[in-house]
Amino acid sequence: GDSVTQMEGPVTLSEEAFLTINCTYTATGYPSLFWYVQYPGEGLQLLLKATKADDKGSNKGFEATYRKETTSFHLEKGSVQVSDSAVYFCAGGDSSYKLIFGSGTRLLVRP
Amino acid sequence: DTAVSQTPKYLVTQMGNDKSIKCEQNLGHDTMYWYKQDSKKFLKIMFSYNNKELIINETVPNRFSPKSPDKAHLNLHINSLELGDSAVYFCASSQDPRGELFFGEGSRLTVL
Repeated sequence: GDSVTQMEGPVTLSEEAFLTINCTYTATGYPSLFWYVQYPGEGLQLLLKATKADDKGSNKGFEATYRKETTSFHLEKGSVQVSDSAVYFCAGGDSSYKLIFGSGTRLLVRP
Repeated sequence: DTAVSQTPKYLVTQMGNDKSIKCEQNLGHDTMYWYKQDSKKFLKIMFSYNNKELIINETVPNRFSPKSPDKAHLNLHINSLELGDSAVYFCASSQDPRGELFFGEGSRLTVL
């Protein structure tokens, strides 16, 4: 079946460091891909998305590109802030009313 | 105005009890979901409803019974609670099955 695999955390970085969180997907078709962020004590919020190959999603300095050839959707940010500390989820969905989530990656940014 | 709201936010109860969690969305979406997040933050779909009709039941024990009285509401009733039911339950909605999910803030259930 379809699945989403993302790197295990926690990822600990200093402020202004470069961030990469890897995500790969397995699907029979070409799902839409998403990154969601969960701040402590809150629900998940959409961070960015891409609906087809070579699309780049971006928001709040975060970027991810839908790479069909490597079935990947890695999340990047050039300079992280303490306020970016959260759990990040990669997810994929086709038309089956079922968004599949990765296991989440906790990011901790130290001042 | 909260887009997806669920109540209660916290629920502490004894094993064997029955409890319900309510969810309402004011976004006009056709599809609503229940997800379970365990202590390791792993998020797994339980149910999805489209226009009050059950679309997905992801091998959830039949102690869990969702009910959708209308498009804007999806409630979750749990019978005979077990320790392993302790988790955070998230309600969500979407307009497009391939599109963005809008999540509620979660309901933390603790079974003692």
